[in-house]
Amino acid sequence: ETGVTQSPTHLIKTRGQQVTLRCSSQSGHNTVSWYQQALGQGPQFIFQYYREEENGRGNFPPRFSGLQFPNYSSELNVNALELDDSALYLCASSIDRNTEAFFGQGTRLTVV
Amino acid sequence: ILNVEQSPQSLHVQEGDSTNFTCSFPSSNFYALHWYRWETAKSPEALFVMTLNGDEKKKGRISATLNTKEGYSYLYIKGSQPEDSATYLCALFYGNNRLAFGKGNQVVVIP
Repeated sequence: ETGVTQSPTHLIKTRGQQVTLRCSSQSGHNTVSWYQQALGQGPQFIFQYYREEENGRGNFPPRFSGLQFPNYSSELNVNALELDDSALYLCASSIDRNTEAFFGQGTRLTVV
Repeated sequence: ILNVEQSPQSLHVQEGDSTNFTCSFPSSNFYALHWYRWETAKSPEALFVMTLNGDEKKKGRISATLNTKEGYSYLYIKGSQPEDSATYLCALFYGNNRLAFGKGNQVVVIP
C-alpha cells in the first residue's frame, strides 16, 4: 500500500470532451508528478507540481493542465480529448530526489 | 530527454531458476536510478534507489547493481517464485524530481 490513491479507476470519454483525474498524495509529500503510460510504452512524464505550482513539464501540449491543493491532493485536466490520449495515467508523490516515488494505481482513460 | 532501454522486454522463468535483466542508458546525467516492481492491478512499488557508481542493493532474493560509467544496471532474482511475476521498471531520476522510464521487463514465473 503506497498511500497514494487515484480516482476514478476507469472512465470512458468521447473525443473532444474534457476530463479531470484526481490524486490524493501521502501527507508531507510536497511534490506530485503525473505520468502517461500508453499501450506498450513506459510511463512518460507529463508535469510536476511542487507546493501548488507547476515545477517542470514534459513534452505534452497545453491542453494538459494540472492543479495541486494544500491538502496534498491534485488534479490532471485534459481538454479537447483525442483518441491518442487513451492511456493509463499515474500520479506519484515524493519527498526528494534521493527517495522513491509513491505511485497510485492509475486511472485508465479510454477516448472513443 | 533521457533514453532508458530495458532488455529483454519479456521473459518466462521456471520456478526456482534465477534470472537477470538489464537497464541501459546512454548518459550519466542523472541523480539516481530507481527500480520498481509493478504487479497487475496494483501500484508500481519501489524496489531500489541507487545513487552511486558501483552501488549494490539487495532485498531478499532480489538484488541490483549500478555501473554509471558503462551505462547499465542489472536486476537479479535468485530462485524465482510465482510471486515474482510482475513488470520491473527501471527509471532515471533527473532534473526537477522527474523520472524517465524504460518500457519494463515483464517477468512470468512458471510453477
